[in-house]
Amino acid sequence: SQTIHQWPATLVQPVGSPLSLECTVEGTSNPNLYWYRQAAGRGLQLLFYSVGIGQISSEVPQNLSASRPQDRQFILSSKKLLLSDSGFYLCAWNTPGTGGGYEQYFGPGTRLTVT
Amino acid sequence: GQSLEQPSEVTAVEGAIVQINCTYQTSGFYGLSWYQQHDGGAPTFLSYNALDGLEETGRFSSFLSRSDSYGYLLLQELQMKDSASYFCAVSFMDSNYQLIWGAGTKLIIKP
Repeated sequence: SQTIHQWPATLVQPVGSPLSLECTVEGTSNPNLYWYRQAAGRGLQLLFYSVGIGQISSEVPQNLSASRPQDRQFILSSKKLLLSDSGFYLCAWNTPGTGGGYEQYFGPGTRLTVT
Repeated sequence: GQSLEQPSEVTAVEGAIVQINCTYQTSGFYGLSWYQQHDGGAPTFLSYNALDGLEETGRFSSFLSRSDSYGYLLLQELQMKDSASYFCAVSFMDSNYQLIWGAGTKLIIKP
């Protein structure tokens, strides 16, 4: 069966510090991978998605970046965090060809607080 | 632009039936999905409609009317564990990847 891991679960970082969040998927090959951010009481905002190694599409211009160094590994980074980067970060995957990407499977999330 | 609207909060009684509505304004609509998210947890997929009509999965059903740009999630025989936020999300013909999410409806269940 497929599983998705995210770490860390919670993170408190000062403004201006770097960030690295990691997501890995097991039990599937060549998944589509996604990074979302969720503000408190709000819906999900798509940040990045990837359809293959080294292929990253950005949906929202900001000080975040993403990389996919391996087929089942997706990393979210920042060189200098802003207060507005606080939120709940979710990694998700689905199988290519599932029309419209409607069924996505989410990791447990990382709650980031920038102080 | 693309937008979805759903009520911010709905309250219901244990054992009752509740309907959560979602209206959307999008171009290139492909289908409507529903997700459940418990406090502090990750969203989990509930159902999907690409065609008009009702899809039933146990106590949960989802309905879509493409002509009205409207859908709803129906929860029957409510249980306390159904207390969560419910999100509708739209997928598009010209994107195999992107979902546009509503802001979510918080379902409060009273005993």
